[in-house]
Amino acid sequence: ETGVTQTPRHLVMGMTNKKSLKCEQHLGHNAMYWYKQSAKKPLELMFVYNFKEQTENNSVPSRFSPECPNSSHLFLHLHTLQPEDSALYLCASSQDPAGVAKNIQYFGAGTRLSVL
Amino acid sequence: AQKVTQAQTEISVVEKEDVTLDCVYETRDTTYYLFWYKQPPSGELVFLIRRNSFDEQNEISGRYSWNFQKSTSSFNFTITASQVVDSAVYFCALSEAGNSGAGSYQLTFGKGTKLSVIP
Repeated sequence: ETGVTQTPRHLVMGMTNKKSLKCEQHLGHNAMYWYKQSAKKPLELMFVYNFKEQTENNSVPSRFSPECPNSSHLFLHLHTLQPEDSALYLCASSQDPAGVAKNIQYFGAGTRLSVL
Repeated sequence: AQKVTQAQTEISVVEKEDVTLDCVYETRDTTYYLFWYKQPPSGELVFLIRRNSFDEQNEISGRYSWNFQKSTSSFNFTITASQVVDSAVYFCALSEAGNSGAGSYQLTFGKGTKLSVIP
């Protein structure tokens, strides 16, 4: 149990579907993050939320839409995705706000997304 | 710009052998932090260690040890007497504090080294 829970663990969707990924952290942390992990690529930071406010959008296409209703929950809404969006999507949280270099990020197990 | 290089893509060792995973980083900052994470087949990245740029003391935690050398910009990770449960992808990462002390949102990861420990 890492303290960061992601659901679903696996998701298969067509290009015209709309789906959402959910992340919940039970650690009392103040910052939450979405990452994309593709095969043979470094982890790519997508979005950052500090105290529920989005502070970073790393040039992510608009077909990915994050939502952070409170400091414990983070969603990633997906619509009209492309096959190249297939990847492992990881959520993380940190006690310190993003922007504090020393902060340790704690990760969930990820959602394995396949876009057909 | 910050960069992390893990030159070893995959390593295979026989159980009980020692193995060292290499990490070389690039940064222009004098204040920065280095991390190692483990990603087992289940997917989650597990935090292993954080080291700041002013602390070059090597660290040992059970079978794990880390060798930080600023002179060569390296932060290598050694597993002693490897076990099958050590099989995973290991990531080295860097976070810069910036000249003003304000951090970057970016935790820069290397591409990872896949370690397979054969029984």
